[in-house]
Amino acid sequence: DADVTQTPRNRITKTGKRIMLECSQTKGHDRMYWYRQDPGLGLRLIYYSFDVKDINKGEISDGYSVSRQAQAKFSLSLESAIPNQTALYFCATSEFPRTDEQFFGPGTRLTVL
Amino acid sequence: AQTVTQSQPEMSVQEAETVTLSCTYDTSENNYYLFWYKQPPSRQMILVIRQEAYKQQNATENRFSVNFQKAAKSFSLKISDSQLGDTAMYFCASLGGSNYKLTFGKGTLLTVNP
Repeated sequence: DADVTQTPRNRITKTGKRIMLECSQTKGHDRMYWYRQDPGLGLRLIYYSFDVKDINKGEISDGYSVSRQAQAKFSLSLESAIPNQTALYFCATSEFPRTDEQFFGPGTRLTVL
Repeated sequence: AQTVTQSQPEMSVQEAETVTLSCTYDTSENNYYLFWYKQPPSRQMILVIRQEAYKQQNATENRFSVNFQKAAKSFSLKISDSQLGDTAMYFCASLGGSNYKLTFGKGTLLTVNP
């Protein structure tokens, strides 16, 4: 079983709809992250959480919100989806400071029509 | 703030040959880490190699090695004996600062030709 899972893997929705992307991990890591990948732009950080009570905005948080329901779960919401939020979304975890490596989920392809 | 620049949007190489992907970065941190990630068509992000900035020795992982030039803030990836399975998007990334979050370059699409 994968250590970091994301659901759904693919989603098509319409403008104005509320969407939730979910991330779960079995690695026992405290730190979790949400990234967005757009062609030609690399990955950009949306939100990050260092533990259940510590949530922080990344560089592109506008239009997004998150919820850290437990150490293992970190959800990303689009309250009212718009077409320019069409992208590939990645969740990641890390066990810093024991290791600096981040472990990525398989990604969610979101299309907003 | 950290920035990472990959100046080669696309590269190609013949199978079994060697290729070098370029990356430059900028940071005001004294302690930071550098990474190369691979993203094949499956879109999974896979860590290829990592370098701790305080270590002078260049990291090596099998066919993958880096040329870390700290003063020049350069971190290139060399792939030896290229294989068809190396075809992927490669991202350079840095980690540092008080929040220890990853900053990615825009990526280099590498195609290995038979």
